[in-house]
Amino acid sequence: ETGVTQSPTHLIKTRGQQVTLRCSSQSGHNTVSWYQQALGQGPQFIFQYYREEENGRGNFPPRFSGLQFPNYSSELNVNALELDDSALYLCASSLEGADYGYTFGSGTRLTVV
Amino acid sequence: GENVEQHPSTLSVQEGDSAVIKCTYSDSASNYFPWYKQELGKRPQLIIDIRSNVGEKKDQRIAVTLNKTAKHFSLHITETQPEDSAVYFCAALQYNNNDMRFGAGTRLTVKP
Repeated sequence: ETGVTQSPTHLIKTRGQQVTLRCSSQSGHNTVSWYQQALGQGPQFIFQYYREEENGRGNFPPRFSGLQFPNYSSELNVNALELDDSALYLCASSLEGADYGYTFGSGTRLTVV
Repeated sequence: GENVEQHPSTLSVQEGDSAVIKCTYSDSASNYFPWYKQELGKRPQLIIDIRSNVGEKKDQRIAVTLNKTAKHFSLHITETQPEDSAVYFCAALQYNNNDMRFGAGTRLTVKP
């Protein structure tokens, strides 16, 4: 059984650029959620995908968008990067929704300069 | 929306002592409450969870209690060990939009 893998592990982008982060869910998990974790804070919910459809969204602007593929892997896209987007982006997969417990990936550390 | 408050922000205990971390939530519709442990530079890991139809759950040295009326839940770690040192996050799930709201975290240090 494989866990949740994220790529890349680290990334440096310039303000205004676009970025795509990737996540492979744990085998058998059909739900993927994305979180932003600023230094010293708890993770903040960006959105959740279930069976390729977005089925929940937090308080993030539309320039944060995502996709889920038939194999349940997922992408997080952020357009028009701002300095405040610098954070650790965590992907979490679960079986049939968040209340079965998340398995988190190790995250992508995004730095916007 | 849901708001989760977590206390204390830091906690230092002697090895073998107990540690208690408390969280409150605002949305009475929330009914799933997990706890995650995050070691430095590592991913959060689920250590225990509780649903709103249960008042207490225990797993070896870890227990969680839930008071739905008061909207608070607590993590109890007994016989603490140095390897328990980490940041612990509580969370509450808002079912209407699958938003898992996390507390700000508690940095637990267990001194040998």
